[in-house]
Amino acid sequence: AQSVTQLGSHVSVSEGALVLLRCNYSSSVPPYLFWYVQYPNQGLQLLLKYTSAATLVKGINGFEAEFKKSETSFHLTKPSAHMSDAAEYFCAVSLRRTGGFKTIFGAGTRLFVKA
Amino acid sequence: GAGVSQTPSNKVTEKGKYVELRCDPISGHTALYWYRQSLGQGPEFLIYFQGTGAADDSGLPNDRFFAVRPEGSVSTLKIQRTERGDSAVYLCASSALAGGGTGELFFGEGSRLTVL
Repeated sequence: AQSVTQLGSHVSVSEGALVLLRCNYSSSVPPYLFWYVQYPNQGLQLLLKYTSAATLVKGINGFEAEFKKSETSFHLTKPSAHMSDAAEYFCAVSLRRTGGFKTIFGAGTRLFVKA
Repeated sequence: GAGVSQTPSNKVTEKGKYVELRCDPISGHTALYWYRQSLGQGPEFLIYFQGTGAADDSGLPNDRFFAVRPEGSVSTLKIQRTERGDSAVYLCASSALAGGGTGELFFGEGSRLTVL
């Protein structure tokens, strides 16, 4: 069975500081991995995805994530936080099934950015 | 439309009532998903459709919940005899499943259900 664990329900950083949001997954087969972001009062949108090509994946708004198979991790980073990055971030694992994909989400990490 | 559309955006109902939530996916997307998101939680998988058929309904919490997609496009999530614990935001997402598909989901803004 697939599962996702996000370490830390809340992360607070200062503007300009490094952002690190942690995600570990469990999967019996190589998964597709995603980070989605949810801004206040908006729907979830894709930030970036890993689909078995390059292990370092770049997404929108300067975010990137590195797939580490040995650690079963897919942590999200951004070198310098901006106030507009304040949102909730969800890590997700997707496995191909008959008839499509089944995607399971982590519990989410809320990012606070201090001025 | 250009994106996934969900109606109503907000629904307030009384305990025991019947509720329908509608999802109109991105045109051409063959896969459609329903998730439930409670306050402070991640989206919880309910069901997904490939075309008209439910490919996996293992996330439906009990037999009060049912979903249909009769023509392979619009889907309706139906909740009978609503309970206060059903209060949540119900999210719909669609996905293209061509040969190169990766399971990327495109979400609507959700239907917030409040059961009094």
